Amino acid sequence: GENVEQHPSTLSVQEGDSAVIKCTYSDSASNYFPWYKQELGKRPQLIIDIRSNVGEKKDQRIAVTLNKTAKHFSLHITETQPEDSAVYFCAARTDKLIFGTGTRLQVFP
Amino acid sequence: ETGVTQSPTHLIKTRGQQVTLRCSSQSGHNTVSWYQQALGQGPQFIFQYYREEENGRGNFPPRFSGLQFPNYSSELNVNALELDDSALYLCASSLQGGDEQFFGPGTRLTVL
Repeated sequence: GENVEQHPSTLSVQEGDSAVIKCTYSDSASNYFPWYKQELGKRPQLIIDIRSNVGEKKDQRIAVTLNKTAKHFSLHITETQPEDSAVYFCAARTDKLIFGTGTRLQVFP
Repeated sequence: ETGVTQSPTHLIKTRGQQVTLRCSSQSGHNTVSWYQQALGQGPQFIFQYYREEENGRGNFPPRFSGLQFPNYSSELNVNALELDDSALYLCASSLQGGDEQFFGPGTRLTVL
């Protein structure tokens, strides 16, 4: 079955710096790759997603890239702010959504 | 916030008991998926319901079962609770064939 690995598990950056979170997936049939942000005690919230027919997608300070050949996809956050601090999950879907183990991002003022 | 709601918010049970968790999907969404999120982990897919039938299942034993009703709301039932069942249970609604899933706030289950 599908397996999704996510790195790093924790990431600390200074406000204004960029943050990059990387994921790899195992099932080449995966066709949809969302990213979720989860604040402490809250529900996961979809922040950006990409489909397998697209290589890159950007939404303001957030961008996602997908390399289907290498089965890699990454989340890029530019100009980080303290409110970006949260746990971020990548996921990959074939017939079901499989999540990575999460990255705890801390943005220090 | 999404239009997905879950009840109850918190629940404490003892080993061997049974529990029912409820989820109301976002208006117009006909598919509900359930996930278990242990502390410090990513959500794990339990199963999905579409048209009142199970439509995909993750690696969970049969004591995890569910229902979907004609109004697309759903229940998750867990029998013979074990300590390891302590987790946040999330439901997510979507359109069948659609990509985006919208999560509810979750039910925090503690098994003592």
